[in-house]
Amino acid sequence: EIVMTQSPATLSVSPGERATLSCRASQSISTNLAWYQQKPGQAPRLLIYNASTRATGIPARFSGSGSRTEFTLTISSLQSEDFAVYYCQQYNIWPPYTFGQGTKLEIK
Amino acid sequence: EVQLVESGGGLVQPGRSLRLSCAASGFTFDDNAMHWVRQAPGKGLEWVSGISWNSDIIGYADSVKGRFTISRDNAKNSLSLQMNSLRAEDTALYYCVKGKQWLGNWFDLWGQGTLVTVSS
Repeated sequence: EIVMTQSPATLSVSPGERATLSCRASQSISTNLAWYQQKPGQAPRLLIYNASTRATGIPARFSGSGSRTEFTLTISSLQSEDFAVYYCQQYNIWPPYTFGQGTKLEIK
Repeated sequence: EVQLVESGGGLVQPGRSLRLSCAASGFTFDDNAMHWVRQAPGKGLEWVSGISWNSDIIGYADSVKGRFTISRDNAKNSLSLQMNSLRAEDTALYYCVKGKQWLGNWFDLWGQGTLVTVSS
């Protein structure tokens, strides 16, 4: 099973600033990585797939990068609606598909 | 409107069974793999099971293998999860999730979930 590790667990950032979230895979997953956003009481929403492709309707301030084992989600200028929990997920080798434990992005 | 609507959750005693259903609408159901993903209260996401568009390929997490069975009815645009021998650790919000055409891809649409509570 591929283990996905996200860091940090909690990130405190001020609105308008940049946020950088990290995700590491226990072995190479090429670019078979997705990022999801989950707000309280809501289902997750797809943000990024194939490590760097924004999903339909996702604002350009969200960007993804990385390959093999190291990945990054960057939010260039945080808006109030961006404060949420973010999960990475690998789909390179399954079953099982595996998720990171999540990074909570909170207002500083 | 493109949506997934889950049903069938509830309170069930350990060792008993429950069947979850998911109604899909607004997209061509039999063009897509489908999955169940769960989230225990206050915890992260755990993939449970997935099924290819034509039911030829099915996968399970080790934690549910032998107890849960996924199935789909393309004529009715529906996905199901039969859960047997339920345990306290199966308590979670269960999401119906749409994949892409082939398994081995990302998840691009999530339902709102149905809550399963396993307790005596």
